[in-house]
Amino acid sequence: AQTVTQSQPEMSVQEAETVTLSCTYDTSESNYYLFWYKQPPSRQMILVIRQEAYKQQNATENRFSVNFQKAAKSFSLKISDSQLGDTAMYFCAFMKPLYNQGGKLIFGQGTELSVKP
Amino acid sequence: GAGVSQSPSNKVTEKGKDVELRCDPISGHTALYWYRQRLGQGLEFLIYFQGNSAPDKSGLPSDRFSAERTGESVSTLTIQRTQQEDSAVYLCASSLGYTDTQYFGPGTRLTVL
Repeated sequence: AQTVTQSQPEMSVQEAETVTLSCTYDTSESNYYLFWYKQPPSRQMILVIRQEAYKQQNATENRFSVNFQKAAKSFSLKISDSQLGDTAMYFCAFMKPLYNQGGKLIFGQGTELSVKP
Repeated sequence: GAGVSQSPSNKVTEKGKDVELRCDPISGHTALYWYRQRLGQGLEFLIYFQGNSAPDKSGLPSDRFSAERTGESVSTLTIQRTQQEDSAVYLCASSLGYTDTQYFGPGTRLTVL
């Protein structure tokens, strides 16, 4: 069974600085998807970034980028120029889609990020 | 366009009562998922619907939990004879297809007294 581990329960960063959140996963699959979601206090889960395992290029979305190391099974999230609105719980998630089982997400335990002014 | 909506936003119930939670997916999304999030935890998969196919119920924790979906529309998650350990936020997500990104609703916070 696949597992996702986020080893940093809490992190903090000063506004405008850069922070990196760690995620490792365990799978024997070769084709899969990885995600970062953020969950602010409103509890709405918001997609931050998505990475297909078959793509070697790291995904980026504005200030958010990932470092995807397939052999090491590592998928870290870098947030540049941190903003107060980035304060949230961040979840790393793994997906191996199968037609009869869908694309159920397997989540890590989360990293609570605080951006300080 | 409208996102995924869920109702009620909050539900407080007494142990032993039945509760019904509702999810309205994004229009046109064929896949729908239910997840449970206990306090301070990540999300746990409960059930998956894809069009008119038989649902994947492998994540349901007990036979007190059931869910229905008619076609590609609304879904309801029912918990019978609620227990205190059922207290959690229940999140619904939908996606265009089973390989696509899931978009989440705001969740229902269930508190069982």
